[in-house]
Amino acid sequence: NAGVTQTPKFRILKIGQSMTLQCAQDMNHNYMYWYRQDPGMGLKLIYYSVGAGITDKGEVPNGYNVSRSTTEDFPLRLELAAPSQTSVYFCASSFSTGEDQPQHFGDGTRLSIL
Amino acid sequence: SQKIEQNSEALNIQEGKTATLTCNYTNYSPAYLQWYRQDPGRGPVFLLLIRENEKEKRKERLKVTFDTTLKQSLFHITASQPADSATYLCASGFQKLVFGTGTRLLVSP
Repeated sequence: NAGVTQTPKFRILKIGQSMTLQCAQDMNHNYMYWYRQDPGMGLKLIYYSVGAGITDKGEVPNGYNVSRSTTEDFPLRLELAAPSQTSVYFCASSFSTGEDQPQHFGDGTRLSIL
Repeated sequence: SQKIEQNSEALNIQEGKTATLTCNYTNYSPAYLQWYRQDPGRGPVFLLLIRENEKEKRKERLKVTFDTTLKQSLFHITASQPADSATYLCASGFQKLVFGTGTRLLVSP
């Protein structure tokens, strides 16, 4: 099993460009999450999904959009890239959302916006 | 809103010693606390989970405690090795996990 796979690993964007960060999991998890991690700031939840067709905002959703058409895939879209969106983005999944449910993370996408 | 706080300063210890990392929580009474390890350039990896009434949980050289009076969890690595050098994250939350900023551990040979 590959677990959670994120592509691309690195990307440089110009201000105003758009792109989609891909995330796929092969564990048949219903719950998926997008986080951003900035130095010294910890992981911040951007969006999450409780199943195909259902998404909801997290702590820092502005400037991002998500969709969940299948159980496996949860892409994150940046429509108008801004320097403040320079960060490392992690996708994660879990079997359920209980406090006792660990999350499984991908290895991240490092995004720079210049 | 719930907060998870970890010491942002790196912890430097010598190989063979016990490393102890601290996680404090406020505005919340979690039923569980989770600990993750994160290596540079990698995503967090789940290590251990402790329930509030367990007080202590062990896995090989790892030990986690949960003190609801102090609102604190301690994460211990005994007989530490250079390979234990990483950032360790504490997390908790129902439906949406809240993560601490992590503490970087450096184990010197």
